[in-house]
Amino acid sequence: GQQVMQIPQYQHVQEGEDFTTYCNSSTTLSNIQWYKQRPGGHPVFLIQLVKSGEVKKQKRLTFQFGEAKKNSSLHITATQTTDVGTYFCAGVSGAGSYQLTFGKGTKLSVIP
Amino acid sequence: NAGVTQTPKFQVLKTGQSMTLQCAQDMNHEYMSWYRQDPGMGLRLIHYSVGAGITDQGEVPNGYNVSRSTTEDFPLRLLSAAPSQTSVYFCASWYIRGTEAFFGQGTRLTVV
Repeated sequence: GQQVMQIPQYQHVQEGEDFTTYCNSSTTLSNIQWYKQRPGGHPVFLIQLVKSGEVKKQKRLTFQFGEAKKNSSLHITATQTTDVGTYFCAGVSGAGSYQLTFGKGTKLSVIP
Repeated sequence: NAGVTQTPKFQVLKTGQSMTLQCAQDMNHEYMSWYRQDPGMGLRLIHYSVGAGITDQGEVPNGYNVSRSTTEDFPLRLLSAAPSQTSVYFCASWYIRGTEAFFGQGTRLTVV
């Protein structure tokens, strides 16, 4: 079945440093989504990427979808303490699939 | 809008007991899923439904049953609780394939 791998599992950064998490799928994806889960909370949708090579920005967050539609990344510029949480990628594979398959997540800690 | 509502928020069961985790959404979403979240394991799909009367197994279905008699409700039944089912359970729904998933607040289940 489809597998979505995400690295690193943990990342500790000083406030103001940049942060990147990477996501790789074993199969070609029709789209990829990113979610953020605050400690003790539930996953909250951040963004969806659909097109090959797509790049989207949300303030300090930059999301990329690979040309082959099998990998993606989330980059945070100048982290803040409000960025603390676990970031998940989730992929939807080809036609006929209704499953949203999540990576294991990257837990971000920001040291003030 | 209430969104996705899960009950209860916390539950302690004894080994062998059965119970039902409730999930309801008021957004007229066709797709609903149950995930379990364990430390370092991300979100693993238990069961999902693509509409009333239609359910299918996900990655870790053993020990769980589901039914979808209405669009709004998607309960998850634990048949005979085991300590390995200690986890945080999330219900999610989305409108159509490839759109944003909305998560409930989660149910923290402990089996002793």
